[in-house]
Amino acid sequence: AQSVTQLGSHVSVSEGALVLLRCNYSSSVPPYLFWYVQYPNQGLQLLLKYTSAATLVKGINGFEAEFKKSETSFHLTKPSAHMSDAAEYFCAVLSGGYNKLIFGAGTRLAVHP
Amino acid sequence: EAGVTQSPTHLIKTRGQQATLRCSPISGHTSVYWYQQALGLGLQFLLWYDEGEERNRGNFPPRFSGRQFPNYSSELNVNALELEDSALYLCASSLNWGWNEQFFGPGTRLTVL
Repeated sequence: AQSVTQLGSHVSVSEGALVLLRCNYSSSVPPYLFWYVQYPNQGLQLLLKYTSAATLVKGINGFEAEFKKSETSFHLTKPSAHMSDAAEYFCAVLSGGYNKLIFGAGTRLAVHP
Repeated sequence: EAGVTQSPTHLIKTRGQQATLRCSPISGHTSVYWYQQALGLGLQFLLWYDEGEERNRGNFPPRFSGRQFPNYSSELNVNALELEDSALYLCASSLNWGWNEQFFGPGTRLTVL
């Protein structure tokens, strides 16, 4: 069975600091992985996706993620945090054949001045 | 291009009543998905429709049902509402099925009193 684990339910960084949100996956087949962001009282917005092409994936708003098969990780990073990055971030794996997204528990990112 | 739309934005019901939630996918998308985001339970897959057929359902009781119309819009019905059904219900759509990313709507907040 496929699963996703996000380490750290809350992460707090200073504006301008590096953002690192951790995601580890479990999958018996090559995974399709996604990062979504959810702003308060809104739906989910796709940040980036990994679909077995390049292992370093660039997304919107300056975010990127690196797929590391040996570590079964897909961590999300951004070199310099902005106040507008404060939101909840979800890592997800696509369960092929069933077409359902399996989400991690989410990480709430706080950015302080 | 218009995104996924959902109605209503908020819905308040009492225990035992029925709720109907609606979703219009992005133009050209034939697959529609429903997810529940309940406090403390995270994001859970509910249902997947494609070309008018239910393709997969998550671990939810039969009182959660839905359908997809010929124009690919969808509705989710929840019968015999229980307090724990209070949640944000998110609809997503994708191009047919397979390894396509899912685009989410803003959600319907269902409150059961």
